[in-house]
Amino acid sequence: GAVVSQHPSWVICKSGTSVKIECRSLDFQATTMFWYRQFPKQSLMLMATSNEGSKATYEQGVEKDKFLINHASLTLSTLTVTSAHPEDSSFYICSAMMGPTYEQYFGPGTRLTVT
Amino acid sequence: QKEVEQNSGPLSVPEGAIASLNCTYSDRVSQSFFWYRQYSGKSPELIMSIYSNGDKEDGRFTAQLNKASQYVSLLIRDSQPSDSATYLCAVKSGYNKLIFGAGTRLAVHP
Repeated sequence: GAVVSQHPSWVICKSGTSVKIECRSLDFQATTMFWYRQFPKQSLMLMATSNEGSKATYEQGVEKDKFLINHASLTLSTLTVTSAHPEDSSFYICSAMMGPTYEQYFGPGTRLTVT
Repeated sequence: QKEVEQNSGPLSVPEGAIASLNCTYSDRVSQSFFWYRQYSGKSPELIMSIYSNGDKEDGRFTAQLNKASQYVSLLIRDSQPSDSATYLCAVKSGYNKLIFGAGTRLAVHP
């Protein structure tokens, strides 16, 4: 099956600093990638849709200046959490869409803790 | 608001039994449907995709789609304790986004 990687798998940072998370599709090209956030025992929440070579589309209520998304190539999208605060602590998961089937393959996730 | 509804469970089945997971969706024009499995603390894993009415089988898993009734189901035969997880039903929206149900928690007991 299709493989998507994420790096780092976990990160602890101090309040006010920025953290970058990378998402890579390893064995297919993905024109569209998605970023989700999941709090404990809650559903996945879509944050934004990332299209290669264009600006990301953010879901309502997601601050685009706080969560910077860059999709520079067909295999790489990055999410930068700027000026992180403890309430940003969460499980961040990316997915990459395989074009013809619309199947989304998820990365293993990044657990962010802001102290 | 386009919705995907699932029974939250937990659905408890004995080992070796058939687990039946159900999902309904509100958008009549949806064409692509997916089942994901999510273990606690892990990211979702794609199990099945289905696009046409009828059944689609893959190993112990069978997905069933009925567009007229706006209903998707997943059957797991010969359930194993390792199948214990949350199963997410997802429907592709017009913008290629997936609309997820809240998930059904399945517990397979020995």
